[in-house]
Amino acid sequence: AQSVTQPDIHITVSEGASLELRCNYSYGATPYLFWYVQSPGQGLQLLLKYFSGDTLVQGIKGFEAEFKRSQSSFNLRKPSVHWSDAAEYFCAVGNSNSGYALNFGKGTSLLVTP
Amino acid sequence: GAVVSQHPSRVICKSGTSVKIECRSLDFQATTMFWYRQFPKQSLMLMATSNEGSKATYEQGVEKDKFLINHASLTLSTLTVTSAHPEDSSFYICSARERRGGELFFGSGTQLSVL
Repeated sequence: AQSVTQPDIHITVSEGASLELRCNYSYGATPYLFWYVQSPGQGLQLLLKYFSGDTLVQGIKGFEAEFKRSQSSFNLRKPSVHWSDAAEYFCAVGNSNSGYALNFGKGTSLLVTP
Repeated sequence: GAVVSQHPSRVICKSGTSVKIECRSLDFQATTMFWYRQFPKQSLMLMATSNEGSKATYEQGVEKDKFLINHASLTLSTLTVTSAHPEDSSFYICSARERRGGELFFGSGTQLSVL
């Protein structure tokens, strides 16, 4: 069965520290991978996506993610977190067969401390 | 950039009434629109996929007679929650896939509260 796992429900990071949010997937076909950020009561903003090519993907707001096929992972990273990064982060997976209907992970809530 | 407008952003209604949520692609044509539901502090769950001019495809467990989806044009899809009940209270989000480049864009969501 297809699934997306975000192992960390909550993560707390000090401002200025580095961040890594984990995402693992189980998909039969070659996946399309996405990271979205959501502020409370808001819609989703795309941070970055991977379809093919270079496995290290650069996104907005200084985020990057690396696709590792051998580990079925697509972890999100940021070298230095800002207080405004506090939000809910969702990893999502789709493929051409699904027509871009995305399967979302349960999300990771990021708290940034001073 | 491309914008998906979702309206209303928030709606409160009485139990038994119907509520319509609109999802519009403002500056692009959308071949496919998706409707998701999100409970508080939960992930997004796909409800249905709609293609312009054809019937929506519903995910398992989603009542098609309860959640009516219409995708009459390449820029508009609507979700109608019929005879809403308190358990239908949720955050509903649409997304639209651009016809030309295939990019996917999300609306800002609708918070539905049924009293």
